[in-house]
Amino acid sequence: KAGVTQTPRYLIKTRGQQVTLSCSPISGHRSVSWYQQTPGQGLQFLFEYFSETQRNKGNFPGRFSGRQFSNSRSEMNVSTLELGDSALYLCASSLAFGTGRNEQFFGPGTRLTVL
Amino acid sequence: SQQGEEDPQALSIQEGENATMNCSYKTSINNLQWYRQNSGRGLVHLILIRSNEREKHSGRLRVTLDTSKKSSSLLITASRAADTASYFCAHSQISSGSARQLTFGSGTQLTVLP
Repeated sequence: KAGVTQTPRYLIKTRGQQVTLSCSPISGHRSVSWYQQTPGQGLQFLFEYFSETQRNKGNFPGRFSGRQFSNSRSEMNVSTLELGDSALYLCASSLAFGTGRNEQFFGPGTRLTVL
Repeated sequence: SQQGEEDPQALSIQEGENATMNCSYKTSINNLQWYRQNSGRGLVHLILIRSNEREKHSGRLRVTLDTSKKSSSLLITASRAADTASYFCAHSQISSGSARQLTFGSGTQLTVLP
């Protein structure tokens, strides 16, 4: 079974631009979560999508948004990029069976650099 | 910001030795998971332990959970150079909006010397 895939793997943008990152979960997984990893703040939860609906959101500004499609693929968008948005963005998928079967499987990440 | 702490922050051992990493958290949890990350790449899921379990094994990995102390430990036995990586614990909080929202610890950088 193929793992979680993320595209693109690397991205360089300038301040003020916007960016869209894509994530394809493991086949059969219906939950997709996004995380931001930076040296200073570590790994932080951005949001989770399940059945095309945002189920939970972390403490990030409204410039960070996402969506999920009917095939469970997800995109996240960051508008008006700031230097501090430079990070590794990780997508994780899960079967989403109750509270006991929520192993999260992560993709390789998208490395975003904002200049 | 992270709500979990891990210690040590860095650990350097010789191949063949055992490595123990500890993790603490602050809230009531559904479960706790351990992940490995190589050089800023994606996270590899190692093991999940539920809140009603005390110990779990997977190959050379042994995880313990003490919910009364809000702590967990990961033991890697007979370590190999390929085990060199950062190790993170992550918990799912009962109070969060989703059981799938993970709160990560600060990580332990393990270096296994050949």
